[in-house]
Amino acid sequence: GAVVSQHPSRVICKSGTSVKIECRSLDFQATTMFWYRQFPKQSLMLMATSNEGSKATYEQGVEKDKFLINHASLTLSTLTVTSAHPEDSSFYICSAARGTSGTEAFFGQGTRLTVV
Amino acid sequence: GESVGLHLPTLSVQEGDNSIINCAYSNSASDYFIWYKQESGKGPQFIIDIRSNMDKRQGQRVTVLLNKTVKHLSLQIAATQPGDSAVYFCAENQAGTALIFGKGTTLSVSS
Repeated sequence: GAVVSQHPSRVICKSGTSVKIECRSLDFQATTMFWYRQFPKQSLMLMATSNEGSKATYEQGVEKDKFLINHASLTLSTLTVTSAHPEDSSFYICSAARGTSGTEAFFGQGTRLTVV
Repeated sequence: GESVGLHLPTLSVQEGDNSIINCAYSNSASDYFIWYKQESGKGPQFIIDIRSNMDKRQGQRVTVLLNKTVKHLSLQIAATQPGDSAVYFCAENQAGTALIFGKGTTLSVSS
């Protein structure tokens, strides 16, 4: 159990277009989901915390209008990178928390975004 | 072999050796710690966790040690295998908050 599916695994888009990444908890309900970004040879950096039915909380320096997060159900959160630029190219990873403490966090397989 | 985590990002060991990967965490209020393994192009894979009321926890071939006094966490891998080659991250949080990741250590195991 506790599987988190992220889709797509890879995406290439043109500069100026928008890309949507989906994160689904397949066998549990996730009140809270987290979105991370990882540049090559670096650690995972928290972008935002997404709670079902409410607005996401963004970390300092992360543009909320650039990275739109929607958490419309207990099993699905989406991250939309709007007007993508080459510097947005990165590895995006979601995590879904099972339970109220948030300590049981399960990760998706990540999405490699390349903006050309 | 042993790494000091933040200051030595790569640890190279021979197959069969024991590996020690270190991590210094920053938040003294953190009460939950996890070690993750990440292979290239994949998401983090859970290895072992420990809560702040413990100082040691053992799994299969892995042991996590927690020293809250100096805010230090280590991962020991016994009889390291080539399949253990990956980047290892420590992560910390308090209940209800997001996991915050350390910088990571690359473990390279040669046959």
